[in-house]
Amino acid sequence: AQKITQTQPGMFVQEKEAVTLDCTYDTSDPSYGLFWYKQPSSGEMIFLIYQGSYDQQNATEGRYSLNFQKARKSANLVISASQLGDSAMYFCAMREGLVNDMRFGAGTRLTVKP
Amino acid sequence: DADVTQTPRNRITKTGKRIMLECSQTKGHDRMYWYRQDPGLGLRLIYYSFDVKDINKGEISDGYSVSRQAQAKFSLSLESAIPNQTALYFCATSDFPGGATDTQYFGPGTRLTVL
Repeated sequence: AQKITQTQPGMFVQEKEAVTLDCTYDTSDPSYGLFWYKQPSSGEMIFLIYQGSYDQQNATEGRYSLNFQKARKSANLVISASQLGDSAMYFCAMREGLVNDMRFGAGTRLTVKP
Repeated sequence: DADVTQTPRNRITKTGKRIMLECSQTKGHDRMYWYRQDPGLGLRLIYYSFDVKDINKGEISDGYSVSRQAQAKFSLSLESAIPNQTALYFCATSDFPGGATDTQYFGPGTRLTVL
């Protein structure tokens, strides 16, 4: 079964606007971590933000925030004030407490329009 | 200088050849990982190592082997490359104590093409 689902293959956003990238996950482990990575066209994987299953507040890192809805098993990434340099693939990933690997979603390609 | 480096960055080889991809890190992390990425897919784990004496298979280990030569070095080998191993390969590292909070930091990737 798919552990991480990203239902938006591609998204467009106007420069300076906010955008939400969706991610839902599936786990029965009470301890897990959720991660977002950015992959620009150059190919590297850049860590953006982390949310722990026991964290009470949504994670934020600069213009990135994670809208964590535990009951709905969703961990959407919100990018505020989009910039042209935000155009990239974005991957959601999950690591379960007793599992040694990290599972990735298929990714969402974000294009920021000027 | 990059904390996680991979060599080569690009490689084209022929079916049946032996290939080694190398990863080095200066982050001082104990844990190292090898992933592959195929077009339209996320990353899938090939092998991981929690220290020099610890090697573990991941989701898609068939056709690959690894060696952890030192804390800072983790290499991936394809003993006899085949075309469906054409992919982008990533090395990643993470720090103890790991677990659910284990953030992984990735190298720049190696693009491998098997003809």
